[in-house]
Amino acid sequence: NAGVTQTPKFQVLKTGQSMTLQCAQDMNHEYMSWYRQDPGMGLRLIHYSVGAGITDQGEVPNGYNVSRSTTEDFPLRLLSAAPSQTSVYFCASSYRAGLGELFFGEGSRLTVL
Amino acid sequence: SQQGEEDPQALSIQEGENATMNCSYKTSINNLQWYRQNSGRGLVHLILIRSNEREKHSGRLRVTLDTSKKSSSLLITASRAADTASYFCATDLFGGNKLTFGGGTRVLVKP
Repeated sequence: NAGVTQTPKFQVLKTGQSMTLQCAQDMNHEYMSWYRQDPGMGLRLIHYSVGAGITDQGEVPNGYNVSRSTTEDFPLRLLSAAPSQTSVYFCASSYRAGLGELFFGEGSRLTVL
Repeated sequence: SQQGEEDPQALSIQEGENATMNCSYKTSINNLQWYRQNSGRGLVHLILIRSNEREKHSGRLRVTLDTSKKSSSLLITASRAADTASYFCATDLFGGNKLTFGGGTRVLVKP
């Protein structure tokens, strides 16, 4: 199993550009989530999904959209990038919500100029 | 706002010594988890302790939870250079996997 796969690993955008961070898992996990990690801030939850077709907002959802059309994929969309969205983004999954540990991808480092 | 706050922010020890880090949180929780992050990598789950548990062990790791003080500690015994990483506590308020992370403790184990 590949686990949780994130692409791209690095991306540089200009303010106002849009892009999608991809996340795929091959463990048949129902629960998937996106976090951003900023220095000294720990990780903050952006959006999460408890199953295909179901998404909900986390702590910092503004400026981000998600969809969950399949169990495997959970893309994160930035519609109009801002410098404040410069961060490292992590996708994480779990077999089911409430079953404990999250499995994390390796991260996507995004810089918005 | 951060639910969990780790202390200390950074820790430097010699190989073979024990490393202890603490986590304090603000509201009642369903469970608390500890994760490790090596530089430039994703987080790896270490251990989960539920609100009705006081202590758990996993290999060289020992986690305690004091719900009356809203605090937890992670002890790494007989540390190795490979334990060099950042360690994060994360609280789950309702058992739904919506974790709130602290800022982490950076641990350096010198050979």
